[in-house]
Amino acid sequence: DGGITQSPKYLFRKEGQNVTLSCEQNLNHDAMYWYRQDPGQGLRLIYYSQIVNDFQKGDIAEGYSVSREKKESFPLTVTSAQKNPTAFYLCASSIYGGNWSPYEQFFGPGTRLTVL
Amino acid sequence: SQQGEEDPQALSIQEGENATMNCSYKTSINNLQWYRQNSGRGLVHLILIRSNEREKHSGRLRVTLDTSKKSSSLLITASRAADTASYFCATDSPPSVLQGAQKLVFGQGTRLTINP
Repeated sequence: DGGITQSPKYLFRKEGQNVTLSCEQNLNHDAMYWYRQDPGQGLRLIYYSQIVNDFQKGDIAEGYSVSREKKESFPLTVTSAQKNPTAFYLCASSIYGGNWSPYEQFFGPGTRLTVL
Repeated sequence: SQQGEEDPQALSIQEGENATMNCSYKTSINNLQWYRQNSGRGLVHLILIRSNEREKHSGRLRVTLDTSKKSSSLLITASRAADTASYFCATDSPPSVLQGAQKLVFGQGTRLTINP
């Protein structure tokens, strides 16, 4: 049963704490992405990774960190430097379709993070 | 930065009617994609249209693209209660500097409600 899993589904954090959100895929996709979604809003790109051991900042990377040690895994750490971390976090992956070849992104079910 | 803007922000129709959502964007694109999101869930890819295409169909979905007006529309025919969701357009713009990942920019979405 292929797909993307995210855990936990709900996460509560106290101010000043770092938390790590898990994202795993068994689709054999090269590229992985992290997005943030605020209520009633679209998705904003936090970080993306094209290949193992490589990742790039997206539009709102401040206060977040990632790693890509394995092809299947792309965890996101929300650090205490992120001033407003309460949001819905979505992980996605896609194949590498070659230069200029468009392809869809597959999304996980999301993690809802609440800062207490 | 958000490139796509959906219109209307919310749409409520009766089951069986057609639903039309529009997306406008600001810069030239490689392709445009539509995604659906059920409440509290991840996104599901619906359809991708390349910049050199004008119309695509998939089941009850019809997407049009007018690059001269920088706009796209999503038509859902014979709507069903299960179509109730938020719908997002996402654009991929040149230059596609990423070799293995696709940097999509999402709009804020249209919330569609189908009334039985």
